[in-house]
Amino acid sequence: GESVGLHLPTLSVQEGDNSIINCAYSNSASDYFIWYKQESGKGPQFIIDIRSNMDKRQGQRVTVLLNKTVKHLSLQIAATQPGDSAVYFCAEVTGSARQLTFGSGTQLTVLP
Amino acid sequence: DTAVSQTPKYLVTQMGNDKSIKCEQNLGHDTMYWYKQDSKKFLKIMFSYNNKELIINETVPNRFSPKSPDKAHLNLHINSLELGDSAVYFCASSSAGAYYGYTFGSGTRLTVV
Repeated sequence: GESVGLHLPTLSVQEGDNSIINCAYSNSASDYFIWYKQESGKGPQFIIDIRSNMDKRQGQRVTVLLNKTVKHLSLQIAATQPGDSAVYFCAEVTGSARQLTFGSGTQLTVLP
Repeated sequence: DTAVSQTPKYLVTQMGNDKSIKCEQNLGHDTMYWYKQDSKKFLKIMFSYNNKELIINETVPNRFSPKSPDKAHLNLHINSLELGDSAVYFCASSSAGAYYGYTFGSGTRLTVV
């Protein structure tokens, strides 16, 4: 079946550096993508979303890039802070039921 | 004010028991979901209800039965619990619409011993 996958299961960055988390998706019919952040002991929290008719969207310290040609999604976090340490998931929305399908997650660790 | 609240937060029970997890949302959303997160953090959808009607029913053992008394509540009942049911179960809600994210609860960690 269709799935959303991540290139790297873990990522360690120095505090203050920029982080890039990548995601590959396979369902070309997906028209909406979301990045979620999950801190330990908590539920996934919405970070930023992007529609398939866009290739870039910026939020506060975060940017999502979408390349539909190669079915690739990335999340860039500027000036990474200790509070950014978490598991990050990309997710795609498909179908009339608007089902949200998650990728396998990347553990981001911010080093002091 | 908690937007999506689940109870209990932790549940430890013996194999063979029947247990329920409750979920309530105060966001006015019309769609609610149950997700299961395994030990490798993978999140998989189990069920979805829209205005009390079941719209997504993934391949889940029929020991799992969702119930939605109204659009603000979605409960999950599990019969004859097995060791493999141990996981974190997340409730979520959204408004039906083309471009709308889900809001998740904080999860229920179920441990079957």
